[in-house]
Parts: sequence; structure tokens; C-alpha cells
Amino acid sequence: GAVVSQHPSRVICKSGTSVKIECRSLDFQATTMFWYRQFPKKSLMLMATSNEGSKATYEQGVEKDKFLINHASLTLSTLTVTSAHPEDSSFYICSARDLSGKTVGSYNEQFFGPGTRLTVL
Amino acid sequence: GEDVEQSLFLSVREGDSSVINCTYTDSSSTYLYWYKQEPGAGLQLLTYIFSNMDMKQDQRLTVLLNKKDKHLSLRIADTQTGDSAIYFCAENLSFGAGTTVTVRA
Repeated sequence: GAVVSQHPSRVICKSGTSVKIECRSLDFQATTMFWYRQFPKKSLMLMATSNEGSKATYEQGVEKDKFLINHASLTLSTLTVTSAHPEDSSFYICSARDLSGKTVGSYNEQFFGPGTRLTVL
Repeated sequence: GEDVEQSLFLSVREGDSSVINCTYTDSSSTYLYWYKQEPGAGLQLLTYIFSNMDMKQDQRLTVLLNKKDKHLSLRIADTQTGDSAIYFCAENLSFGAGTTVTVRA
């Protein structure tokens, strides 16, 4: 099956520091990766869509300078939370699609990572 | 407001059927999805339905789609303890808040 990993699974940092979260597709080519934020008892909120080799497309209300997304290869996307504050504490989830249909997923299926719990003190 | 809505909790006795309901707003999606999230794991696609279908059955799972009312449901027959999880309804990139299903003996 298609596996997506995230690293780290948990991170605790001080206010003002930056945190990088990695999302990797382990056995398929992720032409598109998505970053979500999940609040307790709330929907997954799509933050941004990134296509390999191009700039990410951010959803309305998401600060692109705050949440830096890089999708440098077909298997790796990173989300950097810059100058983190306590209100950035959340569960961040990535997902990946192979829109080419060449490796996996023929009905726009997303494959999700296990998520990263960020706590900003 | 939320584009996809679903109830937050469902408690069901082992062996009974579970029905999780979902409403959505965007009628342009080609597919609608149900994802399952077990503790400590990522979301995994459970089943999906093409938007021009009314029903899809896959072993113990039955998905019903009412496009007129923008209503999607997931029925799990003979619910087992391993079915305890959070179930997310999704249309394209919009997700519901998830329904926590608890199976009691």
C-alpha cells in the first residue's frame, strides 16, 4: 500500500522558535501534497496544497510567511512553522496524492501521514 | 461555517449495525469519501462513492448517497470492536469533524 510518514510525531518548542515538520511518501510519487491542521472535535482544516517544484497554494486565512511549505521532490514536503506561538499548538497532518495515476490511487485518493503534535510553550 | 457536517459521537453494541450520517455543501465533487482513523494512526481511506451512484456496498460497508439532499451515510453491518475509531466524511478536500464510534460489548 501507499505509506506516508511524518517526522517528528511530537514536538515541544519554546515560543519564538521555528519548527520543521517533514512529510514523506515512502513508496509512491506524490505529485501533490496537502497540509492540514486539526483542532480537537473540529474538522481537518486544509492549510495549503503543494505541487512538486512549484509554490504552495495557501487557503484563505493561512499566513504563507508563517507556515512555509516546500515540496522539493516527489517524495518530500516540509512545513516550517516560523516564530511559533502558543496559538500555533495543534495537530498537523499531511497527505499525498499521485495525480498522475502512475504509481497509486486512481480516484483522487489521499494518503495520510500519522500527524505531528506541536506544542508551543 | 463547516462545509461538511457529521455528528461527533456514536455508541453501538457489538453485532448491531452502525450508521454514520454526513451532510455536505459542494455538489461538484466527483467522489465522496469515508476515512477511518484508529488511535495513533493516520486517516485511511475506508471506502468511496462516485457522485453518480446512489449506493455502494463493500462487504460489511454500505454507502448511501442522496445528491438532492447532499446527504451521505455509512452503514457498518455486524459492528465489531475493531470498528471502534473516528470516521471522517469528506468531499474532495473538505472534511467533517469526525464521528467517534465506540463499540460496547
